[in-house]
Amino acid sequence: AQSVTQPDIHITVSEGASLELRCNYSYGATPYLFWYVQSPGQGLQLLLKYFSGDTLVQGIKGFEAEFKRSQSSFNLRKPSVHWSDAAEYFCAVGSTSGTYKYIFGTGTRLKVLA
Amino acid sequence: NAGVTQTPKFRVLKTGQSMTLLCAQDMNHEYMYWYRQDPGMGLRLIHYSVGEGTTAKGEVPDGYNVSRLKKQNFLLGLESAAPSQTSVYFCASSYFIYGTGMSKNIQYFGAGTRLSVL
Repeated sequence: AQSVTQPDIHITVSEGASLELRCNYSYGATPYLFWYVQSPGQGLQLLLKYFSGDTLVQGIKGFEAEFKRSQSSFNLRKPSVHWSDAAEYFCAVGSTSGTYKYIFGTGTRLKVLA
Repeated sequence: NAGVTQTPKFRVLKTGQSMTLLCAQDMNHEYMYWYRQDPGMGLRLIHYSVGEGTTAKGEVPDGYNVSRLKKQNFLLGLESAAPSQTSVYFCASSYFIYGTGMSKNIQYFGAGTRLSVL
């Protein structure tokens, strides 16, 4: 069955520290992969996406993610976290078969210490 | 440019009451979706629509109905609300990038509706 796993429910980092949020997926073929961010009380904003090609993807707000086919992973990284990055982050898998649906992970809540 | 707009933003219902959530998008997207978000469960798809006049069931459709009479609007109805439907509801719409024989779906989300059923 198709699934997305975000193993870390909560992560706390100090401002200025580096960040890596993990995402693993189970899918029958190479999926389309997404990271979204949700600030408190807000909707979901697309951070970045992977469709094909270069496995290192750059997104908004200084985030990047790397697709590793051998590990079925799509981890999100940022070299230096800002207090405004505190939010919940969702990894999602999109269908390549035309059913148009996403499968979301359960999310990772990021707390940033001043 | 409003994007995806959901109304209302907040609502409190009593068990057994009915209500309709409205989602409107101004991006001329063909596809629209309703999700619910519950703590520790991420977003789960309730219903979706691949075009005006069409709807389909998602992962958790029971207790909900939808309609897509106009391309820009997607309505989610609760006929008889239950406490288990207390949740945050998100609408999304998407467009496709066609290439190499595969479609590439990018979904854009509204700000959400927080619903409490007492």
